[in-house]
Amino acid sequence: IAGITQAPTSQILAAGRRMTLRCTQDMRHNAMYWYRQDLGLGLRLIHYSNTAGTTGKGEVPDGYSVSRANTDDFPLTLASAVPSQTSVYFCASSVASGGLTDTQYFGPGTRLTVL
Amino acid sequence: QKEVEQDPGPLSVPEGAIVSLNCTYSNSAFQYFMWYRQYSRKGPELLMYTYSSGNKEDGRFTAQVDKSSKYISLFIRDSQPSDSATYLCAGGDFNKFYFGSGTKLNVKP
Repeated sequence: IAGITQAPTSQILAAGRRMTLRCTQDMRHNAMYWYRQDLGLGLRLIHYSNTAGTTGKGEVPDGYSVSRANTDDFPLTLASAVPSQTSVYFCASSVASGGLTDTQYFGPGTRLTVL
Repeated sequence: QKEVEQDPGPLSVPEGAIVSLNCTYSNSAFQYFMWYRQYSRKGPELLMYTYSSGNKEDGRFTAQVDKSSKYISLFIRDSQPSDSATYLCAGGDFNKFYFGSGTKLNVKP
């Protein structure tokens, strides 16, 4: 593994179903982030984690939850998916949070469609 | 109002042209600014970052920040077809970054 991996690459999901998007980094970065990218709205921060064991809410956290049990993994869970959660989801990481050490490196994304 | 505003384009230029991509931001506390490039169906990749006002040059790319007008620019000299992508600007303070919606650039051979 080199960098950030995300799984699955794409998924079609029925509304009301539970879904976990996986994100793993091997760079030993302290901070990790989840964004969604929608046409015309750009990247919007869902949740973040400054270090293992801590998480925080971003700009659009409703309907999503995260956990950070260790440095490498940062899964994003949709407890009960709704069509408005159809989007491309990007996981990112940075050495630390704050300033230029917050330079973020992105994964390849997960395309999620909720029907 | 979004924290960072960016014209979505698309912007179409001939190969070799100088490209100017621009963003505005609303929060005067922002100190850190970045430009990302995103190819179709890929994740964004960091192109350049700057701190506070001023210029930064890296090869054919120059990033410029004018904090007095809250204006962020990216200039691409001698543009190439391989520069065709969506360019995202971002600004933030110590804790959080905010991204523009991206400008789609097409460089025609």
